[in-house]
Amino acid sequence: AQKITQTQPGMFVQEKEAVTLDCTYDTSDPSYGLFWYKQPSSGEMIFLIYQGSYDQQNATEGRYSLNFQKARKSANLVISASQLGDSAMYFCAMREYSSASKIIFGSGTRLSIRP
Amino acid sequence: EAGVAQSPRYKIIEKRQSVAFWCNPISGHATLYWYQQILGQGPKLLIQFQNNGVVDDSQLPKDRFSAERLKGVDSTLKIQPAKLEDSAVYLCASSPRLGDDTGELFFGEGSRLTVL
Repeated sequence: AQKITQTQPGMFVQEKEAVTLDCTYDTSDPSYGLFWYKQPSSGEMIFLIYQGSYDQQNATEGRYSLNFQKARKSANLVISASQLGDSAMYFCAMREYSSASKIIFGSGTRLSIRP
Repeated sequence: EAGVAQSPRYKIIEKRQSVAFWCNPISGHATLYWYQQILGQGPKLLIQFQNNGVVDDSQLPKDRFSAERLKGVDSTLKIQPAKLEDSAVYLCASSPRLGDDTGELFFGEGSRLTVL
């Protein structure tokens, strides 16, 4: 069954430090995509980064990178040089491409950046 | 390019009353989703449309929730009668036709429902 797990309810990080947000997933579909979204206190969902199951290299988008370990079924988000504006909820999500292709979300991690 | 539009942004009702939310997806996006996000939790998919057909509504409480997308463009989500536990943000999202790209979701700002 399709499942996403985020085990860190909340994290505090000092400004300018790097931070890793954990995400593990479960699927029997060989073709799937993994997404990370940011949700600030204003409520909008902002797409950050995408990793396809067949991609050979880890995805990167500016200060965001995705540490994709397929055998371990993990897709951790790494934010380098954290900024105060990074304080938000972060959600990991997955889409299975072979089935009805719905996207499911994890429970989220609240990241707080300390000045 | 205009984003996903939702209305109303906020709604407060008494339990057992009804409420409707409207969503207009990004032009040309074939797939439309309604998610329920309870405070402190991740979004939960209620229903997914491909054009005007339902792809998945397995988690939609059909005794009180209904949704339609009659012309394959905008959509309405209705709750009747509302319960206290329906208090949540209702997020609408859209994506291009499945298979065209990664399937990234584009979200609206959400409709916050409070049931008293």
